[in-house]
Amino acid sequence: TQLLEQSPQFLSIQEGENLTVYCNSSSVFSSLQWYRQEPGEGPVLLVTVVTGGEVKKLKRLTFQFGDARKDSSLHITAAQPGDTGLYLCAGVYAGNNRKLIWGLGTSLAVNP
Amino acid sequence: DTEVTQTPKHLVMGMTNKKSLKCEQHMGHRAMYWYKQKAKKPPELMFVYSYEKLSINESVPSRFSPECPNSSLLNLHLHALQPEDSALYLCASSQPPLSGTGASGASYNEQFFGPGTRLTVL
Repeated sequence: TQLLEQSPQFLSIQEGENLTVYCNSSSVFSSLQWYRQEPGEGPVLLVTVVTGGEVKKLKRLTFQFGDARKDSSLHITAAQPGDTGLYLCAGVYAGNNRKLIWGLGTSLAVNP
Repeated sequence: DTEVTQTPKHLVMGMTNKKSLKCEQHMGHRAMYWYKQKAKKPPELMFVYSYEKLSINESVPSRFSPECPNSSLLNLHLHALQPEDSALYLCASSQPPLSGTGASGASYNEQFFGPGTRLTVL
């Protein structure tokens, strides 16, 4: 059973389009992180959300944590080819904070 | 620039070879991790060290042997690997997660990754 459901798994869009990636669970997380990974590199931490209802912005990226702390979303406005990569959500499960619970990832391709 | 470094960047080895992967972090973190990652999949946790002691082993086969010589270094010794072990091996570090809840960032287990070692087993 996948504790964190991430969707969509693959996304191919044109430059300038908007997109949203979702990370959902039936369990409560004490915090949720979003990472971005380029091919052949390690994941890079983008943001951590910790408070239910929290919204954080990072340039054209907007991150939201659900009120019940069971889901999160990543919205990219006016996507650019440089946004191409694997986006991963990872949560700290309230019952065990010693390891991250990972979503399956969203592979994003932004075409010029 | 990453503050977690990994060497080598690429490694090709035969099934009878012995090799080691190395990781070093300069962030003052006291928790370090080894992950294995297949293409377009999430990282799979292998080992966690906290304060230089092994705290999690995710039932990893004994052909993988971790070592944490000090708070900045983490090694992964490889012996008699199989072709299916070919993958990107990632090292990460964080502040050790605090037990229970708390306002400190240490309870959020924010991990910082190295660039990885691309391992190919022939």
